[in-house]
Amino acid sequence: DAKTTQPNSMESNEEEPVHLPCNHSTISGTDYIHWYRQLPSQGPEYVIHGLTSNVNNRMASLAIAEDRKSSTLILHRATLRDAAVYYCILRPTDTGRRALTFGSGTRLQVQP
Amino acid sequence: KAGVTQTPRYLIKTRGQQVTLSCSPISGHRSVSWYQQTPGQGLQFLFEYFSETQRNKGNFPGRFSGRQFSNSRSEMNVSTLELGDSALYLCASSPGTQKKETQYFGPGTRLLVL
Repeated sequence: DAKTTQPNSMESNEEEPVHLPCNHSTISGTDYIHWYRQLPSQGPEYVIHGLTSNVNNRMASLAIAEDRKSSTLILHRATLRDAAVYYCILRPTDTGRRALTFGSGTRLQVQP
Repeated sequence: KAGVTQTPRYLIKTRGQQVTLSCSPISGHRSVSWYQQTPGQGLQFLFEYFSETQRNKGNFPGRFSGRQFSNSRSEMNVSTLELGDSALYLCASSPGTQKKETQYFGPGTRLLVL
């Protein structure tokens, strides 16, 4: 499976934008880019996903580089509730594999 | 719709015992996946069931097994427990029809092996 690289931790202030980077230089043309997050003492939850174009939803935006070798999850106004571990995951669609392959993720701390 | 539920939420067992964990997926979802989360190894995929058949399997020993019932509920069994099996066990459900589909996770069962 193609690998992703994320910073171990990041800090943000409340109500400021947060840009969480992810490198995936070995991504293949059929891999979707998914982001999940895991709040303390909870299971992971889906945030957003995309293939080539930038995507927006009520939780976040996903900016995908033109060569698809990196992407950035954008939280427009961080709240204390956004403190979590954020996982960038590649999902292949040309194999039988359906499992999510989690890396170590980025631990986001939000300061009041 | 109700979310994914897992029972029990907490469990304490001793080495050598066996344990069964249960997962009820979101209504209409036919795929259930199980993951193990430990501080050392992070989140690792155990197996996936779809329509009562194991469709994918991770790299875990045969002591870890599972099954799925006709109503899509799933159970995971660990036999001959070892200290290293202490972990948070998560299940996730999805419709099961598209490879890029979202997985919805339950709150997990925290297992402590003494």
